Amino acid sequence: GENVEQHPSTLSVQEGDSAVIKCTYSDSASNYFPWYKQELGKGPQLIIDIRSNVGEKKDQRIAVTLNKTAKHFSLHITETQPEDSAVYFCAATTLFTGGGNKLTFGTGTQLKVEL
Amino acid sequence: DAMVIQNPRYQVTQFGKPVTLSCSQTLNHNVMYWYQQKSSQAPKLLFHYYDKDFNNEADTPDNFQSRRPNTSFCFLDIRSPGLGDAAMYLCATSRDGYYEQYFGPGTRLTVT
Repeated sequence: GENVEQHPSTLSVQEGDSAVIKCTYSDSASNYFPWYKQELGKGPQLIIDIRSNVGEKKDQRIAVTLNKTAKHFSLHITETQPEDSAVYFCAATTLFTGGGNKLTFGTGTQLKVEL
Repeated sequence: DAMVIQNPRYQVTQFGKPVTLSCSQTLNHNVMYWYQQKSSQAPKLLFHYYDKDFNNEADTPDNFQSRRPNTSFCFLDIRSPGLGDAAMYLCATSRDGYYEQYFGPGTRLTVT
């Protein structure tokens, strides 16, 4: 089955700095890579995603890159703000035969943005 | 404008006493998922429904069951909760042919 590794497990940055979180996956059949932000006591919120036929995607201060050959993908947050503090999960997605899709999550990164 | 709703948000049950968690959605998505998330861990898929077809993950304990009476609602039943079942339970939905999964706010289950 799919295995997703995520680094670092904790990341502390100063407000205004950039943050980078990296993930690797093992199953070449994975073709969709979402990133979720989870605040304390809340459900994961989809913040950006990338499909396997795309190398980079940007949405305002966040961007994702995908290297399908190396099975690496990364989340980049620029101009970090205190409200960016949360746990971030990467995931790799494979399709179920009967419909729907399976998310395999990374272990999460606790991002803390300090004033 | 809540799209995936979970009730209750917090549930306390006694060891061995059956408990039911509920999920509803206004997205009309045909796929619904239940995840278990223990403290400081990633969500772990328990099972999912594609329409009325139930699909269990191989390592989901028999203690966990689910029902989906219609498109909008899905229930998670824990027949005999143990202390190890204390966790956040997350419901998610997706639309057939689309990858995106949307999560509810979760139900925090405490077992005493």
